[in-house]
Amino acid sequence: DGGITQSPKYLFRKEGQNVTLSCEQNLNHDAMYWYRQDPGQGLRLIYYSQIVNDFQKGDIAEGYSVSREKKESFPLTVTSAQKNPTAFYLCASASDRGRTEQYFGPGTRLTVT
Amino acid sequence: QKEVEQNSGPLSVPEGAIASLNCTYSDRGSQSFFWYRQYSGKSPELIMSIYSNGDKEDGRFTAQLNKASQYVSLLIRDSQPSDSATYLCAVNLGGSQGNLIFGKGTKLSVKP
Repeated sequence: DGGITQSPKYLFRKEGQNVTLSCEQNLNHDAMYWYRQDPGQGLRLIYYSQIVNDFQKGDIAEGYSVSREKKESFPLTVTSAQKNPTAFYLCASASDRGRTEQYFGPGTRLTVT
Repeated sequence: QKEVEQNSGPLSVPEGAIASLNCTYSDRGSQSFFWYRQYSGKSPELIMSIYSNGDKEDGRFTAQLNKASQYVSLLIRDSQPSDSATYLCAVNLGGSQGNLIFGKGTKLSVKP
């Protein structure tokens, strides 16, 4: 059963704590992406990775960090430096074979109080 | 600033009617175009992709692309209440990175 999984579905944290969101895919996709979605807003790109051990900042990378140690995994850490971390976080992947369709995981809803 | 614009809606259509969703984009170099459907509280689901000018049909969905006018649309025929969702337009700017720029979405409501 191929797809993208994200965990947890809901996450609650206190302000000042770092938190790591998991994203795993078994589609053999090379490219992986992290987006943030706020109410009434479009998706905004946080980080993306085209190959293992390489990643680039997106439009809103400040306060976030990522790693890509395995092709299947692209975890996102929301650090205490992120000023407004409460949001819906979406992970996506795409095959790097001339196709740019991105497929999304189910998302993680993070609430920081 | 590369932008993708959509009417936020809500767009309300009766069941069985044709729903027409529109999207304009600012970057003339954009090469590929996508429509995603997002139900409330869920993640986006890819429903259509289009790469060349003209129409592309898939079941009840038709995507239309006009690169000269920088305009892409999605038609939903025989709209059903289950089509009620927010529809996101996404545009790929080209190059090898595959980065998409998303519009804010149009909320569609299909009334029984």
